[in-house]
Amino acid sequence: KAGVTQTPRYLIKTRGQQVTLSCSPISGHRSVSWYQQTPGQGLQFLFEYFSETQRNKGNFPGRFSGRQFSNSRSEMNVSTLELGDSALYLCASSPDGPYGYTFGSGTRLTVV
Amino acid sequence: DQQVKQNSPSLSVQEGRISILNCDYTNSMFDYFLWYKKYPAEGPTFLISISSIKDKNEDGRFTVFLNKSAKHLSLHIVPSQPGDSAVYFCAASERGSARQLTFGSGTQLTVLP
Repeated sequence: KAGVTQTPRYLIKTRGQQVTLSCSPISGHRSVSWYQQTPGQGLQFLFEYFSETQRNKGNFPGRFSGRQFSNSRSEMNVSTLELGDSALYLCASSPDGPYGYTFGSGTRLTVV
Repeated sequence: DQQVKQNSPSLSVQEGRISILNCDYTNSMFDYFLWYKKYPAEGPTFLISISSIKDKNEDGRFTVFLNKSAKHLSLHIVPSQPGDSAVYFCAASERGSARQLTFGSGTQLTVLP
């Protein structure tokens, strides 16, 4: 079966711009979670969507937002980019919740 | 405040020997623990997990040990193989209410041939 697909794989943006990242989950998975990975910080939870509803949100500023569509595909948006937003953004899908995560390969965002 | 800590950023082990990766946690509400492995340019993949009602779980070459009183868990890989070279993340959750995993910062394991 197809895995979790994240697009684009790489992105370079300028400080102050906004960016939208996309995640297509495994077919049948209704939960999509987003994590940010930075060197030395591990993976930090951004938010989780289930059936188009945000169920849980991590400790990130309001500049980070997301949504989920009826086909379970999800997007996350970061507005007013800062240099510190440079990171690998990982999407994980599962039937429901954090157990049985399948991660995508991530989108590497560089803010210059 | 990191609730899950992996204090060794890197570990090198000879092929065939045992690799021991360590993880400490501070949140006493955590009752389910997982290990993930991550290769460059790929997402993390699930390795093995353990519930707080157990102190050991084995899966082939991989064994996870949990010491609840010390709030410490470890992953043993025996024997280590060059293909095991990757970043290993420890993660934890409160199973009853979990909607997310809390990850450590990872340990880069290098298995030398």
